[in-house]
Amino acid sequence: AQSVSQHNHHVILSEAASLELGCNYSYGGTVNLFWYVQYPGQHLQLLLKYFSGDPLVKGIKGFEAEFIKSKFSFNLRKPSVQWSDTAEYFCAVNPSGGYNKLIFGAGTRLAVHP
Amino acid sequence: NAGVTQTPKFQVLKTGQSMTLQCAQDMNHNSMYWYRQDPGMGLRLIYYSASEGTTDKGEVPNGYNVSRLNKREFSLRLESAAPSQTSVYFCASSESAGGETQYFGPGTRLLVL
Repeated sequence: AQSVSQHNHHVILSEAASLELGCNYSYGGTVNLFWYVQYPGQHLQLLLKYFSGDPLVKGIKGFEAEFIKSKFSFNLRKPSVQWSDTAEYFCAVNPSGGYNKLIFGAGTRLAVHP
Repeated sequence: NAGVTQTPKFQVLKTGQSMTLQCAQDMNHNSMYWYRQDPGMGLRLIYYSASEGTTDKGEVPNGYNVSRLNKREFSLRLESAAPSQTSVYFCASSESAGGETQYFGPGTRLLVL
C-alpha cells in the first residue's frame, strides 16, 4: 500500500537552529509532493509543493524542500527557525493517475524554544 | 473570500446519536474532501467528491455518509456515532481532482461519549 513516513515525531529546537524534517514515500510512479503546516489551533496551510521541474522548491516563511527521486524523499529544511515556527508539519503525497487523493504522513511536532 | 468554512467548530455526542458536519467553499472549486485527523496518524481521507454530483469512498468511509449538495457544499453525516469516531474532521477543496493544492477548513472537533 502507498504510504508516507515522517521519521521524526517530535522535534525540539532552540531559536536560530537549523531544521530538517524527513519525509519518505512508497510509490514508484510520478508524484506531486506537499508540505503542510498546522499552527496551534489553526487549520492546515500549504507551506510548499513540488509538481515538476527544479527539485529544490522554496515555500513561505523561508522553508524549502528537496525532492530526491532516487531516495523517494522530500525533506523539509529551514536554515534558522523562529519561535513562531512552532507547529505540526505534515508531508503529503498525491500519486499521479487518479483522483486527487492526498496521502499524509503522521506529522512532526516542532517546538522552538526562545 | 472566506475560503473553506466548517460548522460546527465543536460537538459532543452520545453513542448512537446522529449529526451532520457542514462544509462550504467560496473558491468555485470542483473537488471537495473530508478527512479525519487522529493523533499520530496524520489525516486520513473519509470521502471525496471529484465534481458536483459525484462522491467516492476514501480510506476510512465506514460509519459515514456524504452529500455533495451543490458545487459549494459538501456535508458529512454520522448516522450512529461511536466513540471511535472521536476525532478532528477537516474539509478541504481543490480546483479539480488532478493533483492540485487542497485548501483546508478550520476543522470540527467531535467528541463521542
